[in-house]
This record gives sequence, structure tokens and C-alpha cells, in this order.
Amino acid sequence: DAKTTQPNSMESNEEEPVHLPCNHSTISGTDYIHWYRQLPSQGPEYVIHGLTSNVNNRMASLAIAEDRKSSTLILHRATLRDAAVYYCILDSNYQLIWGAGTKLIIKP
Amino acid sequence: GAVVSQHPSRVICKSGTSVKIECRSLDFQATTMFWYRQFPKQSLMLMATSNEGSKATYEQGVEKDKFLINHASLTLSTLTVTSAHPEDSSFYICSARGPDRGFGYTFGSGTRLTVV
Repeated sequence: DAKTTQPNSMESNEEEPVHLPCNHSTISGTDYIHWYRQLPSQGPEYVIHGLTSNVNNRMASLAIAEDRKSSTLILHRATLRDAAVYYCILDSNYQLIWGAGTKLIIKP
Repeated sequence: GAVVSQHPSRVICKSGTSVKIECRSLDFQATTMFWYRQFPKQSLMLMATSNEGSKATYEQGVEKDKFLINHASLTLSTLTVTSAHPEDSSFYICSARGPDRGFGYTFGSGTRLTVV
């Protein structure tokens, strides 16, 4: 079965870029890659998702490896409000496969 | 953007009573909704998938008679925790799927259930 692997936590300085990695070596060809983030006692918030090509939106960029076995969520300029747990998720035919999440700590 | 409204945000109930949690898609029709449970410092665990007008599909180990799911309309799904016990205390989150895979998923704000 497909699964995702993420570091438990990462630290970054405020106003610097952050690169959050995710390994999904068993991904299937039609599986979408999703990223959500969650603040304490809140539901997850959509960040970005993609299939094969890199994606950009107002929140972040998603860089997908050519073999699709890994991806990186890029926050271009982290703020204190970006501190959260970031989940890398595979959407395998509408079955969501959750990673354990990376707790992102932003240092002022 | 798509919004999912989940109520109540927190509830305290006595052991043995039942609690209903509502999940509404406000600006889109959600043919499929998902119910999750989350323990502290852990990822979300899928409990069941509900499709409008049909019976919910429960994940292995989830008691369908204890966690009753109703998805009677395209905008409303409910989770009822029956005969709640302290071990049912948790953070429950609903999610709705967009009209196609390009839309992603929208999550409710969660319900903190405490059974005393």
C-alpha cells in the first residue's frame, strides 16, 4: 500500500523560505499529492495539490520529483502564522493516505 | 472557496448519552463526506465514508452501531455517537470532497467531544 513519510518536525526563521519534504516511493500513477496544514484544535486547511507538474498558488509551491516518488512543499517566506502541522497526503482513487505530519516551528 | 461548517465545535456529555455532530457543505454539493477521529499529537484516522442517499462505509474496527452516520442530503451529513463512554472522547472532523479531483477536499473545523 502507498504511504507517505515526513520528518517529525522542522524549524525555520521568520521571513525565510521553508522546504518541507515528503517521500511517497510507492505512489501509483494516478495518485494525487495533497498538502494540508492543521493548527491545534482546528480542522486541516488546504494548502496545495498536484499530480505530475509543479504547482504554484498564493499560499505555496509544490515541487514534484520527476519520478513522483517524493515532493516538496515550499513556503516562500514563512511567517509566524505558518506554524502548524503540515500533512502530505496521497489521494489514491479518493482514498486519502495520510502521513504523520511535520510540525513546522517558526522562530521570530 | 468551498466551505464546510461543522457543529458543535465542542461538547461535553455524560456517559451513556448520545451526541450528534453536524457537517454541512455551504456552497457546494458534497456527494461524499468523510468522518475522521484524531487523538492528541496524531494524524487523522478515517472512521467512515458517507455517500448521499446510501449507507456509510466504515473502516475496519469502527463500530457502525456506535457511530451512526446519516447523509440524507447533498449538503448535510451527521455523525451520532451513541451511548458515549469516556474512551470516545476525541476530536472529530468531517470532510467533503469537491466535485472532481481538481478541487481537493474541504474540512470542517472539528468537534471536541468530552464524555464525563
